[in-house]
Amino acid sequence: KAGVTQTPRYLIKTRGQQVTLSCSPISGHRSVSWYQQTPGQGLQFLFEYFSETQRNKGNFPGRFSGRQFSNSRSEMNVSTLELGDSALYLCASSSIPGVAGNIQYFGAGTRLSVL
Amino acid sequence: KQEVTQIPAALSVPEGENLVLNCSFTDSAIYNLQWFRQDPGKGLTSLLLIQSSQREQTSGRLNASLDKSSGRSTLYIAASQPGDSATYLCAALFLYNQGGKLIFGQGTELSVKP
Repeated sequence: KAGVTQTPRYLIKTRGQQVTLSCSPISGHRSVSWYQQTPGQGLQFLFEYFSETQRNKGNFPGRFSGRQFSNSRSEMNVSTLELGDSALYLCASSSIPGVAGNIQYFGAGTRLSVL
Repeated sequence: KQEVTQIPAALSVPEGENLVLNCSFTDSAIYNLQWFRQDPGKGLTSLLLIQSSQREQTSGRLNASLDKSSGRSTLYIAASQPGDSATYLCAALFLYNQGGKLIFGQGTELSVKP
């Protein structure tokens, strides 16, 4: 069974540009969550999607948005990039959100560098 | 505010030693607690998950415990090996809007010396 796939693995952008990251969950998983990891702030929750609906959103500005498609694949978009957006963006998938025994499986991440 | 704290931030031990990593959380209304391993520049690998109704979980040389009343979890690694060198993260799952949100600690960077 294939794991969580994130593309691309690396991205270099300049300030003001926008970027779209993609996440394909494990087959059969319908929940996708996104996290941002930086050396200073650690891992922070961005948002969670289930059945194409955003269930939860973290404390990030509106420049960060996402969506989920009918096949459970998810995309995350960041507009008007800032230097502080440089981070490792991780996607996690799980079968059913909010279940105590539900393990979240993480992808390898997309490393975004903003110059 | 829901916070997760890990102590120590870094740990260096000789090969073969048993060790304990600590994790504390401020809100006892957690749904579960997961321990992850992260190698440099890589994603997260789930090691153990303890549901809120459970006290501990074991996998090979790893044992994780959970005490909700005191807001603590520990990860015990027996007979450490150089291949165990990585950053270990604990994360507490809280329920929101029928979904969940993982709150992560800052991690413990473990180095096992041959």
